[in-house]
Amino acid sequence: GIQVEQSPPDLILQEGANSTLRCNFSDSVNNLQWFHQNPWGQLINLFYIPSGTKQNGRLSATTVATERYSLLYISSSQTTDSGVYFCAVSNDYKLSFGAGTTVTVRA
Amino acid sequence: GAVVSQHPSWVICKSGTSVKIECRSLDFQATTMFWYRQFPKQSLMLMATSNEGSKATYEQGVEKDKFLINHASLTLSTLTVTSAHPEDSSFYICSAPTVRGSYEQYFGPGTRLTVT
Repeated sequence: GIQVEQSPPDLILQEGANSTLRCNFSDSVNNLQWFHQNPWGQLINLFYIPSGTKQNGRLSATTVATERYSLLYISSSQTTDSGVYFCAVSNDYKLSFGAGTTVTVRA
Repeated sequence: GAVVSQHPSWVICKSGTSVKIECRSLDFQATTMFWYRQFPKQSLMLMATSNEGSKATYEQGVEKDKFLINHASLTLSTLTVTSAHPEDSSFYICSAPTVRGSYEQYFGPGTRLTVT
């Protein structure tokens, strides 16, 4: 299967700070999604972004498919941004997940 | 976005018993659904692909006789953990691709299984 590496594994931020999360993958993909897992375990869809750039409020994402990486940007972080962020990819419908980045935003 | 539900949200069962978990697509039809499991502080691992009207396909290392999957309709897939043991305790999550012609998937809220 496709290998997915996320970095950093842990990120501690002060409220209001900006951050970048990275996802590297080992093969070409037709699906790349970013999720935020809340404390109850629900995976919240952030972006479906196999290529290009998208923005949604304080979050934005860029995928450079030819170089096999994607970046998730969090701007003006808030305590509600805390949680685990997963990148998942596939070249069919079977998603391979990275290990996640645990983000802690301190007030 | 598309809505996927799971029932129950959490379940506690005794070792040796069987537990059924339901996954429903509420506002779209899903000919294919996927089942994942997640251990504490770990990532999600794909267990099996549930196909409407046909047999499920299992990932390597997943016991098909322990994890029975049935996809009887276009909106419902069930996962039955048979003869559960404490090591089956985990968080089970289902997903489904939407029918909009993209590969984007939506996930259910998950079911936390504890086997005592």
